[in-house]
Amino acid sequence: NAGVTQTPKFQVLKTGQSMTLQCAQDMNHEYMSWYRQDPGMGLRLIHYSVGAGITDQGEVPNGYNVSRSTTEDFPLRLLSAAPSQTSVYFCASRPLAGGFLETQYFGPGTRLLVL
Amino acid sequence: AQTVTQSQPEMSVQEAETVTLSCTYDTSESNYYLFWYKQPPSRQMILVIRQEAYKQQNATENRFSVNFQKAAKSFSLKISDSQLGDTAMYFCAFMKGNFNKFYFGSGTKLNVKP
Repeated sequence: NAGVTQTPKFQVLKTGQSMTLQCAQDMNHEYMSWYRQDPGMGLRLIHYSVGAGITDQGEVPNGYNVSRSTTEDFPLRLLSAAPSQTSVYFCASRPLAGGFLETQYFGPGTRLLVL
Repeated sequence: AQTVTQSQPEMSVQEAETVTLSCTYDTSESNYYLFWYKQPPSRQMILVIRQEAYKQQNATENRFSVNFQKAAKSFSLKISDSQLGDTAMYFCAFMKGNFNKFYFGSGTKLNVKP
């Protein structure tokens, strides 16, 4: 299994540009989520999904859109990038069946710089 | 809203010694779960240990153990026999009982010195 993969690894955007951060997992996990990590802060939940066609907001959803058309993929869209969205973005997935006992698997992260 | 506070931005410990990382949280939930994650320079997030709030017994995983004080809303991590490979950022995290939302603290950078 490749686990959780994220592309690109690093991206530079200009203010106002749009882009999609890709996340895929090959473990058939129902739950997928996106976090951002800023210096001096922990990971903050942006959006999450408990299955194909079902998404919900986390702590910091503004400026981001998500959709979940398949179990495997959970892309994160920035419609109009702002410098405040400069961050490291992590995607994560886990099964739902075991609840608390299920381990959350994280991707390697995407570093985004918005100029 | 849930908040997780780690009051120690950075700590150092000598190899083979013991270190304790602090974490407090604030919630009105009665059913929740607590975690410690390790993030080495590779940026990968690695689960270290987890605790169910309704269990009074403190969780242990080899050299890692927690001191869970529910009334005080405290969840500290003790690392015994520290190793150079323990050098990393450590994040305390809280998950609500519906398993859908994680809340992370700001992290403690641990440096294990030879």
